[in-house]
Amino acid sequence: EAGVAQSPRYKIIEKRQSVAFWCNPISGHATLYWYQQILGQGPKLLIQFQNNGVVDDSQLPKDRFSAERLKGVDSTLKIQPAKLEDSAVYLCASSLEWPWGAMDNEQFFGPGTRLTVL
Amino acid sequence: AQSVSQHNHHVILSEAASLELGCNYSYGGTVNLFWYVQYPGQHLQLLLKYFSGDPLVKGIKGFEAEFIKSKFSFNLRKPSVQWSDTAEYFCAVIIYGNNRLAFGKGNQVVVIP
Repeated sequence: EAGVAQSPRYKIIEKRQSVAFWCNPISGHATLYWYQQILGQGPKLLIQFQNNGVVDDSQLPKDRFSAERLKGVDSTLKIQPAKLEDSAVYLCASSLEWPWGAMDNEQFFGPGTRLTVL
Repeated sequence: AQSVSQHNHHVILSEAASLELGCNYSYGGTVNLFWYVQYPGQHLQLLLKYFSGDPLVKGIKGFEAEFIKSKFSFNLRKPSVQWSDTAEYFCAVIIYGNNRLAFGKGNQVVVIP
C-alpha cells in the first residue's frame, strides 16, 4: 500500500514569511497527526485529527500555526509568520484507529518536511 | 505531563555485540509502549509495541523489549547487532485517557562493521 505522502521535502524561508506543508495519509486512515521534530529531540505532537475534526491541538502554537483537514483526507499545516525556532522537521502520520488501546493504532509516518528559517 | 527518558543518546558498537537501550516513563497508570526506528534516509517505522499480556515483546529484525511495570521501564534489546542496525531509535508512550504519543529524545546507534 502507498505510504504517507508529504510535500515539499525541504523548504528554506526567511523569518516572518509564511509556509505551508501538505500531507496525504494512507487511504482509509481516520486519524491524522502533525509532529514537530527539532534537531536532537523526539517528535512532538502538534495536532491530531479524527476524520476532519480536531481531537488534540493543545501543543499547537495557535498564534502562528494553523492546520486543517478538509473532507477528512488531506491535510495542510501552515506557519504564519515563521520564527527562527520553527526550524525543524515536520512529520505527518496516520493511523487506522484511535491511538489508545486499539490493535490497529500503529502510526505510519511520512518522510517529513525539513524547514529552515533564516 | 507524561515524559519519556532515553539515556546514552549516542551508542557506538561493533557488529555481533549486544545492544540494550533504556527507556523510562513517568506515569504510574496504564500505558501502551512503543519503540520506533529511523534508518538513515528512511521514515520512522514501528519496531515493536506493548499493549497488555506477556511483558516480553518481540519485534522485527530480532529486536525484543521487556516491560517492567515496577521500574516504569521498557528497554530494547538485540543480542547480536549488524551494520544494518545503524539507526536512530525512539521510545514512545501513550497513557490511558490521553491519546497523545509522547516520544523520548532518541538513541543514535552506530554499528561498526
